[in-house]
Amino acid sequence: QKEVEQNSGPLSVPEGAIASLNCTYSDRGSQSFFWYRQYSGKSPELIMFIYSNGDKEDGRFTAQLNKASQYVSLLIRDSQPSDSATYLCADKEGGGNKLTFGTGTQLKVEL
Amino acid sequence: GAVVSQHPSRVICKSGTSVKIECRSLDFQATTMFWYRQFPKQSLMLMATSNEGSKATYEQGVEKDKFLINHASLTLSTLTVTSAHPEDSSFYICSATTSGGASYNEQFFGPGTRLTVL
Repeated sequence: QKEVEQNSGPLSVPEGAIASLNCTYSDRGSQSFFWYRQYSGKSPELIMFIYSNGDKEDGRFTAQLNKASQYVSLLIRDSQPSDSATYLCADKEGGGNKLTFGTGTQLKVEL
Repeated sequence: GAVVSQHPSRVICKSGTSVKIECRSLDFQATTMFWYRQFPKQSLMLMATSNEGSKATYEQGVEKDKFLINHASLTLSTLTVTSAHPEDSSFYICSATTSGGASYNEQFFGPGTRLTVL
């Protein structure tokens, strides 16, 4: 059974710091990986996706993928209190559309 | 970006009644829609995958006779929770995507429906 694992946290970082969120996945056939942000009581919103090894940057966010280690991470630079949310990692099987979600990491950015 | 709506956003019902939740893609045609359920402090669990004009594919452990899914058009899918019980109380979220296979195809999520069964 496919698994996507995340540390549930909470991860607390001071405002302005770098938040590092990590995710591992079990299925070597997974082709692409997604990071979603979910505020309490709301549905997930996509932050980034990545499907090539290495780094992908978008504004304050950088996703990192290492397929050999089956590891995905999300870095948030200059963390803001508005970044406080649960971050969900998901992978997608090759040739299909199904996403498998991790349990999420709660991030708290403190003033 | 593409917009997905859900209706109702919140519903409270008595045990034993049935509840229908609608999921609509507002500005694109969704070949595939997904239904998820999320219990408090847990992740999204996929319940079923729905392709327009065909029967839904349910995940292991999800009762297809209890959770009826209809995907009659490219912009509308419905989830009916039949004979709801308090343990069905959850946050139900749909998502939609336009086509299959490409690595970067994004699922667009609806805002979710909070179901409370008394």
